[in-house]
Amino acid sequence: SSELTQDPAVSVALGQTVRITCQGDSLRSYYASWYQQKPGQAPVLVIYGKNNRPSGIPDRFSGSSSGNTASLTITGAQAEDEADYYCNSRDSSGKVFGGGTKLTVL
Amino acid sequence: QVQLQESGPGLVKPSGTLSLTCAVSGGSISSSNWWSWVRQPPGKGLEWIGEIYHSGSTNYNPSLKSRVTISVDKSKNQFSLKLSSVTAADTAVYYCARDGVTYNWFDPWGQGTLVTVSS
Repeated sequence: SSELTQDPAVSVALGQTVRITCQGDSLRSYYASWYQQKPGQAPVLVIYGKNNRPSGIPDRFSGSSSGNTASLTITGAQAEDEADYYCNSRDSSGKVFGGGTKLTVL
Repeated sequence: QVQLQESGPGLVKPSGTLSLTCAVSGGSISSSNWWSWVRQPPGKGLEWIGEIYHSGSTNYNPSLKSRVTISVDKSKNQFSLKLSSVTAADTAVYYCARDGVTYNWFDPWGQGTLVTVSS
């Protein structure tokens, strides 16, 4: 199956903007979805499709895509955004997740 | 508001079969959605296991396909996971989730259940 590659860790200063990326061949054909996971909790969907937010997700979260790279941007990061973030996409075999990015808010 | 709840044994012996059930409430398993299982070993990332449609059609992760069976029980509004020949590497939190229809997404997720493989 396809692979999705994410940077293992990213940090951002409080109130600044951060971009988390996800690379993979399947992203040329399918949109990524993005999940936030805090310790001891189930993942939560934050972005899907071209740039759609489920109800209840703050508008500081946005998504974009270009070629084989999908990006999750947090504009004005808050302390509560510190979490692991995973991308996900379809591939020829079914579904696949990225390895995850640990976001630290400084 | 659809809610999912996993249930099943928390401890399975090596070489045995892991069996979990996901109960769907607040919605019908016969909707247009597929339904998935995802797992997460302690301290590691998410791994998609497979999915099922209410018709019984399935798709599995190729790396697990030989050991996985996902089934649906429409009368009970639930779906189930069986993973055979388990080893310590199958120790993980197992989540069930609803798949998106038009776009690829998983929402909502169950709370997850830890399954430990140990003698």
